[in-house]
Amino acid sequence: AQTVTQSQPEMSVQEAETVTLSCTYDTSENNYYLFWYKQPPSRQMILVIRQEAYKQQNATENRFSVNFQKAAKSFSLKISDSQLGDTAMYFCAYNTNAGKSTFGDGTTLTVKP
Amino acid sequence: GAGVSQSPSNKVTEKGKDVELRCDPISGHTALYWYRQRLGQGLEFLIYFQGNSAPDKSGLPSDRFSAERTGESVSTLTIQRTQQEDSAVYLCASSSSRTGGGYTFGSGTRLTVV
Repeated sequence: AQTVTQSQPEMSVQEAETVTLSCTYDTSENNYYLFWYKQPPSRQMILVIRQEAYKQQNATENRFSVNFQKAAKSFSLKISDSQLGDTAMYFCAYNTNAGKSTFGDGTTLTVKP
Repeated sequence: GAGVSQSPSNKVTEKGKDVELRCDPISGHTALYWYRQRLGQGLEFLIYFQGNSAPDKSGLPSDRFSAERTGESVSTLTIQRTQQEDSAVYLCASSSSRTGGGYTFGSGTRLTVV
């Protein structure tokens, strides 16, 4: 079975600094998709960034970028120029073309002024 | 609709009562998912619909839980004879296909069993 591990339950960063959230996963599949979701205190879960395993280029969305290491099964999220609105719980997730996503347990990120 | 809509947003019920939670996905999204999230914790998969069928209902915790989906749109999650351990946020999500697209989530229903 696929598993997703987020080893950092909590992290903090100063406003305007850069922070990296870790995620590892276990799978025997070759084609799959990886995601980072953000859940702020308002509870609404939002898709932040998406990576397709067959693409070697790391995905980037404005201040958010990933470091995808397929051989190591690692998928970290880098947030640059952190803002107070980035305070949220972040979930790493894995999906194939066959139904449900598997989520990690989440990392609570606090951005300090 | 423009987003995934869930109702009610909050529900307080007495132990032993039945509750129905509703999810209205984005129009045209064929896949629909229900997850449960206990306070401060991760997402626990409940059930997945592809169209009107449920190819994976492995996460339903007991026979008190059931879900249906009609017309490739609205889904209802029913919890019978609620227990205090059912208290959680129930999240619904939809996606456009089975090609690995990310989810669009609703705001969830916070269920409190007293």
